[in-house]
Amino acid sequence: QKEVEQNSGPLSVPEGAIASLNCTYSDRGSQSFFWYRQYSGKSPELIMFIYSNGDKEDGRFTAQLNKASQYVSLLIRDSQPSDSATYLCAVELRWGADGLTFGKGTHLIIQP
Amino acid sequence: GAVVSQHPSRVICKSGTSVKIECRSLDFQATTMFWYRQFPKKSLMLMATSNEGSKATYEQGVEKDKFLINHASLTLSTLTVTSAHPEDSSFYICSARDWAGGYYNEQFFGPGTRLTVL
Repeated sequence: QKEVEQNSGPLSVPEGAIASLNCTYSDRGSQSFFWYRQYSGKSPELIMFIYSNGDKEDGRFTAQLNKASQYVSLLIRDSQPSDSATYLCAVELRWGADGLTFGKGTHLIIQP
Repeated sequence: GAVVSQHPSRVICKSGTSVKIECRSLDFQATTMFWYRQFPKKSLMLMATSNEGSKATYEQGVEKDKFLINHASLTLSTLTVTSAHPEDSSFYICSARDWAGGYYNEQFFGPGTRLTVL
């Protein structure tokens, strides 16, 4: 059974600091990994995706993937109060072919 | 980016009635659409995968006779909750994948439909 685990938080980070969000997944054959941000009552917004081991940077966000450890992380640099949201990690078994398995999300609070 | 719409955004119905939710890809053709459900303070759970012109594939534990999915065109998929009960109250979200322009391999999510069954 596919599982995606995240610490539910809340994770409290001071404004301007780096927020670090972590995720592990159970199916070693998973090929694509996504980070979404979700505000209360809204649908998820894609932050970034990654499918190769290593780091991928996009502005203030860096996704890190370690397939050997079945671990994905998201770093948010220069955290802003507007970054306060629930961050969902999602995994796709076959690249471009399947629905997503989501973790329960980490509630991030950026303290002004 | 591509836009996916859902209608209605909110619906309240009586127990025992059926409710239809529409998911449309507005500026691209979606050969595959997905339906998710999210209960309060829970994560999104994939309900089914809908491919244009064929039967939907349901995830384990999802009743296909209760949640009817139709994907009759490349821009429209519908989810009908039949004989709705209070436990069906949830946030239903669809997503669509655009393979023709799928540069980012992204699923584009609709804004969601809040269903409340009284």
